Amino acid sequence: DVQLTQSPSFLSASVGDRVTVTCRASQGINTYLAWYQQKPGKAPKLLIYSASTLQSGVPSRFSGSGSGTEFTLTISSLQPEDSATYYCQQLNYYPLTFGQGTRLDIK
Amino acid sequence: QVQVQESGPGLMKPSETLSLTCLVSADAINSNRYNWGWIRQPPGKGLEWIASLYHTGDTYYNASLKSRVTISVDASKSQFSLTLMSVTAADTAVYYCTSRLGQVSTWGRGTLVTVSS
Repeated sequence: DVQLTQSPSFLSASVGDRVTVTCRASQGINTYLAWYQQKPGKAPKLLIYSASTLQSGVPSRFSGSGSGTEFTLTISSLQPEDSATYYCQQLNYYPLTFGQGTRLDIK
Repeated sequence: QVQVQESGPGLMKPSETLSLTCLVSADAINSNRYNWGWIRQPPGKGLEWIASLYHTGDTYYNASLKSRVTISVDASKSQFSLTLMSVTAADTAVYYCTSRLGQVSTWGRGTLVTVSS
């Protein structure tokens, strides 16, 4: 199985900060990686697919990069509404797997 | 994107069989462009993929659940389903159904299933 390890697990940042979350895969997954944002009591929301393609309707301050085994999600200028838990998911191999999540709090 | 919506029993007793359904638009369920899936999330925990189903009939299951789980489609009802046998408290979770087109997944709102005696 492909293990996805996110870092950090918890992040606290201020409005306007640039924030980066990393997702490392235990084996190469090309660019078959998605990023989700989840707020309490809600379903995960797709932010990025194919490692770097912004899903329609997602603010342009979100961006993704990477291929192979290392991927990043960047929020260029943090907004209050970005407080959430973020997950990466690989779709290259079954079983599909998720990272453990990164909780992002706004200071 | 294809919208999906789960429905389920809410509360169950240990050893019962869980049946969940996911309603999909009629055009999509017959399309060979989408695949269908289920993901769950125990309270306060992370996301766990359960199963996926392709229009070819190919199915994939999480090995930890494979002996208890079945994913299937009923095109006549525009829905696909998940059956999980012999539930325990560890199966308490929000269950999400998903439709996937390429690498783009659309999720339902989720349905909470609680297993308790």
